[in-house]
Amino acid sequence: QLQLQESGPGLVKPSETLSLTCTVSGGSVTSSTYYWGWIRQPPGKGLEWIGSIHNSGSTYYNPSLESRVSISGDTFTKQFSLKLNSVTAADTAVYYCVKAYYSDSSGPHMDVWGKGTTVTVSS
Amino acid sequence: QSVLTQPPSVSAAPGQKVSISCSGSSSNIGSNYVSWYQQLPGTAPKLLIYDNDNRPSGIPDRFSGSKSGTSATLGITGLQTGDEADYYCGTWDSSLSAWVFGGGTKLTVL
Repeated sequence: QLQLQESGPGLVKPSETLSLTCTVSGGSVTSSTYYWGWIRQPPGKGLEWIGSIHNSGSTYYNPSLESRVSISGDTFTKQFSLKLNSVTAADTAVYYCVKAYYSDSSGPHMDVWGKGTTVTVSS
Repeated sequence: QSVLTQPPSVSAAPGQKVSISCSGSSSNIGSNYVSWYQQLPGTAPKLLIYDNDNRPSGIPDRFSGSKSGTSATLGITGLQTGDEADYYCGTWDSSLSAWVFGGGTKLTVL
C-alpha cells in the first residue's frame, strides 16, 4: 500500500525558501494516472492546494502561489519536492504531500495523504 | 473566502443523519467531479467520497455523496461519536485551472 512521508526543516526564516521532500514507499510511482502534489493547512484554517506534478513532468500550480512555488519529482528515487520562496508568516502551516488519481474513467481525487509536517516561518 | 461554500458547522445526535452541503459554480462543481475528505482531530485528511458518489474501499456505506447542478452533498447516517471531524469538499475549477476546496464543515455529534 502506497505511503507518503514528508521531510524538511520545521522552521524557516522570513524571506527565505521553504523546501520539503516527499518520499513514496510501498508501490509504483510511474502510473500515468498518478499526480503528486502538496496541500497546506494554516493553523486553525482549511485546506489549500499548492500544486501538483504528473509523471510526465507537467506541473500545475495554484495561481495565488505560482510566482513563488516550484514542484519537481524524481521517479527513480521515488521522491518529489516543494520549494516556496520569499516566505512570510502567512506561509506557516502543516504541509501535506498527496497522491491524486485521475484517469479517463475517474475524475481527479486525492486518495493518499502523508501525515503532514509543520513548517513555521519565524525569525 | 473559499471558492466552494460549506456551512461552518453542523450537529446531530448519535444514530441520526446529517447532510453537509457544498455550493460552487459552473466552472467547478457544475462541470467536474466532486470528492469529499474527512479530517479527524489532529490527523491528515482522508478520502471519503470520489467522483460525486463513489466510496473508496473501506469506507462504510453510512457515508454517501450526491451532486446536482452546481451543488454537492455529503450524507452521513447512523452518526457515531467517532464521526466528529472536519469535512471538506473539493473539485477542479476549470476557469482557475486550480484544485479548490470548500472552507470545511465541523461535525459535532451531540
